[in-house]
Amino acid sequence: AQSVTQPDIHITVSEGASLELRCNYSYGATPYLFWYVQSPGQGLQLLLKYFSGDTLVQGIKGFEAEFKRSQSSFNLRKPSVHWSDAAEYFCAVGAWDDAGGTSYGKLTFGQGTILTVHP
Amino acid sequence: DAGVIQSPRHEVTEMGQEVTLRCKPISGHDYLFWYRQTMMRGLELLIYFNNNVPIDDSGMPEDRFSAKMPNASFSTLKIQPSEPRDSAVYFCASSFTWVEWSSYNEQFFGPGTRLTVL
Repeated sequence: AQSVTQPDIHITVSEGASLELRCNYSYGATPYLFWYVQSPGQGLQLLLKYFSGDTLVQGIKGFEAEFKRSQSSFNLRKPSVHWSDAAEYFCAVGAWDDAGGTSYGKLTFGQGTILTVHP
Repeated sequence: DAGVIQSPRHEVTEMGQEVTLRCKPISGHDYLFWYRQTMMRGLELLIYFNNNVPIDDSGMPEDRFSAKMPNASFSTLKIQPSEPRDSAVYFCASSFTWVEWSSYNEQFFGPGTRLTVL
């Protein structure tokens, strides 16, 4: 079964500083990898996803993530953080699951990383 | 498309009352998922439907929880009777059938319903 670990529960950065949020996954094959962002009181918005090809993927809001198979990692980065980036970020691994008799894309989420941005 | 729609956005009820959460998936999606988010357990998958049929409800915590999908554009999650430990944010998500190596493989989430049981 797949699993996701986000080692950092809470990260604080200053506005304008660079950001890296860590994500490690466990899965036997090449996974689909996702980063979602959840602003306070909001739903989950997809930032970016990886499923094949170039291991550096670009997303919305200036975010990017790099898939490193050797390290089983999919870290999220942003060169310069804005105050509006303060939110909770979730890494997820997607894989086919046959539970229940149908094959579907199951998402397994990490515990999330809360990002605080200081002015 | 308006995205996944959930109602109500907030629900406050008293212990023992019945609670019904509603979801309208994105038109054309054939999978619908119900998740629960709590501080202690994070995001948990409760149940999912394929073409309106419940496929796997192994994540439903107790018999007090039930979910239905009477048609392709509507689903409900019901808790009866509700308890304080059911307080959480409940998300509905929908997706197309995933196709290997497709860039369209993802799940789209609604804004969630914040449930408080007093």
